[in-house]
Amino acid sequence: DADVTQTPRNRITKTGKRIMLECSQTKGHDRMYWYRQDPGLGLRLIYYSFDVKDINKGEISDGYSVSRQAQAKFSLSLESAIPNQTALYFCATSDSGAGRAGELFFGEGSRLTVL
Amino acid sequence: LAKTTQPISMDSYEGQEVNITCSHNNIATNDYITWYQQFPSQGPRFIIQGYKTKVTNEVASLFIPADRKSSTLSLPRVSLSDTAVYYCLVGDTPSGTYKYIFGTGTRLKVLA
Repeated sequence: DADVTQTPRNRITKTGKRIMLECSQTKGHDRMYWYRQDPGLGLRLIYYSFDVKDINKGEISDGYSVSRQAQAKFSLSLESAIPNQTALYFCATSDSGAGRAGELFFGEGSRLTVL
Repeated sequence: LAKTTQPISMDSYEGQEVNITCSHNNIATNDYITWYQQFPSQGPRFIIQGYKTKVTNEVASLFIPADRKSSTLSLPRVSLSDTAVYYCLVGDTPSGTYKYIFGTGTRLKVLA
């Protein structure tokens, strides 16, 4: 089983629908991240959380919200999806106490298409 | 915020050594430099990390000059399977916290 699991892996939805992408991890890490990747482009940080009570906006948080339900779970919501939110979304984790400063571990991605 | 600049793309042939340079002029004292590799439709994965001088592991070497304003990832004798996008990151530490900002990366294509 993957250490960082994202669900769903693929989702097609319509404009205006509410969508939730979920991420769970078994690595015991305290830090979790959501990134978005558009075709041919790098990853852009949406939100990050350093513990259950700490949520921070990243580069492109508009139109998104997150919830850190537990140390192991971090969900990303699109309250009213729009076509330009069509992208590949990645969840990542890191350990604040790691020997390697903040190495990121990524999930397999959630491909979202908004029609 | 620490920002990185890398070449957009590079081509190489199998068996050659590939060097990818990253500029990070605003690197902070506590920042580490980390390189990730990403294959299509997969999440990036860690390759190597360093703070200064040279670091080597089983897949790559990382060269960091004394001023730390740049770094070079060196891939010895690349193969077709090394075709991927390579990202250079520096730990971004405003107010003592880390958040990792990816640039557009360098798209490496290895030719037979």
